[in-house]
Amino acid sequence: QLVLTQSPSASASLGASVKLTCTLSSGHSSDAIAWHQQQPEKGPRYLMKIKSDGSHIRGDGIPGRFSGSSSGAERYLSISSLQSEDEAAYYCQSWDTDSWVFGGGTKLTVL
Amino acid sequence: QVQLVQSGAEVKKPGASVKVSCKAAGYTFTNYYIHWVRQAPGQGLEWMGWINPDSGGTNYAQKFQGRVTMTRDTSISTAYLEMRGLRSDDTAVYFCARFSSAWFDPNYWGQGTLVTVSS
Repeated sequence: QLVLTQSPSASASLGASVKLTCTLSSGHSSDAIAWHQQQPEKGPRYLMKIKSDGSHIRGDGIPGRFSGSSSGAERYLSISSLQSEDEAAYYCQSWDTDSWVFGGGTKLTVL
Repeated sequence: QVQLVQSGAEVKKPGASVKVSCKAAGYTFTNYYIHWVRQAPGQGLEWMGWINPDSGGTNYAQKFQGRVTMTRDTSISTAYLEMRGLRSDDTAVYFCARFSSAWFDPNYWGQGTLVTVSS
């Protein structure tokens, strides 16, 4: 069964960089994932998809400060030059045959 | 551009049913599955299932089987989520979304519909 694991929280300073992690469960280390951002009191927004080889493709209008990478069963979302509006929850998502699943989300605090 | 526009907030009593709509625009409705996702207050995102607008075929997460029905009306490019036997823990924001596993197809979200279940 596909399970995505994320740390509940992360923090970084304004202007700095941060790397968030999503870990795929056993047997799914080659799967692609998607990242979504949810700012406070707003709906989710699609950020990008990431493959197991680390290649990524951003959604419409997503700035280059957001990038993706991979290592084994881990998929990463990196955000550089952190801005106050990057303070949000970030969810990874993947799919297995006909079912889709979300990670528990990481709440990012920008200090 | 792609837009998914959902119906407005609902307040229901326990045991009632609710039907939420999701109108698609900016693309060919029958080319992409519509998914439904919910988010309880202060909680994460929970995938509920999808409908294939072309065939009407559906796939529901096990948790919702028997209590949820997803339908569509291709003449007005609209998908529907109906949930029966509402309980207080069904209080949540319900989102429709266009998800695709295809590499070059972006994902899109509706704005969400708050469903409150309260006596």
